[in-house]
Amino acid sequence: DTGVSQNPRHKITKRGQNVTFRCDPISEHNRLYWYRQTLGQGPEFLTYFQNEAQLEKSRLLSDRFSAERPKGSFSTLEIQRTEQGDSAMYLCASNQQGISGNTIYFGEGSWLTVV
Amino acid sequence: KQEVTQIPAALSVPEGENLVLNCSFTDSAIYNLQWFRQDPGKGLTSLLLIQSSQREQTSGRLNASLDKSSGRSTLYIAASQPGDSATYLCAVTTSTYSGGGADGLTFGKGTHLIIQP
Repeated sequence: DTGVSQNPRHKITKRGQNVTFRCDPISEHNRLYWYRQTLGQGPEFLTYFQNEAQLEKSRLLSDRFSAERPKGSFSTLEIQRTEQGDSAMYLCASNQQGISGNTIYFGEGSWLTVV
Repeated sequence: KQEVTQIPAALSVPEGENLVLNCSFTDSAIYNLQWFRQDPGKGLTSLLLIQSSQREQTSGRLNASLDKSSGRSTLYIAASQPGDSATYLCAVTTSTYSGGGADGLTFGKGTHLIIQP
């Protein structure tokens, strides 16, 4: 068990470019979550998957954001036409429904800076 | 909409002291409450998970309590050490959470803790 893995860890991009982040959850976990965190704030929920199904999306997730989990394993989060307001840390987390009281495990995050 | 507040926002104490971090939430219909630790620029590490039916959980020098009816939780750290310096985040899973999924967490802004050697 290597934990939740995210890459890239850091990304600097110009406004208007597209970026994609990848998350590899803990292998036996069926639930995968994406959160966004800005400086001085707690993480904010974006979306989550149960296996390959995207079950919930926050209102924070504008139409420029898309997330996939095609085989129920790894997930990608793509941001199109990035804006400076997208600069944040994007956190991925996973857990197994009904196991360990739903303790959730986070990755190290992917920092995005839009210049 | 669930809101989570953490007090104080920042705390600096000498090594060896016992300390209490506070968390309050507005909607008492929660599934569970978790305390996390976050080091600068890093992800979150789960410290303690308290189910809605439980009153407290303990792990080593950490003890978390939950008073669901009053919407409060505390994290007690005994005999603090410089290695405890980090931001501590409280998060709840709300049974009536909308737009967040069955296990979507609502976080507070955290308490930034510094333990002075």
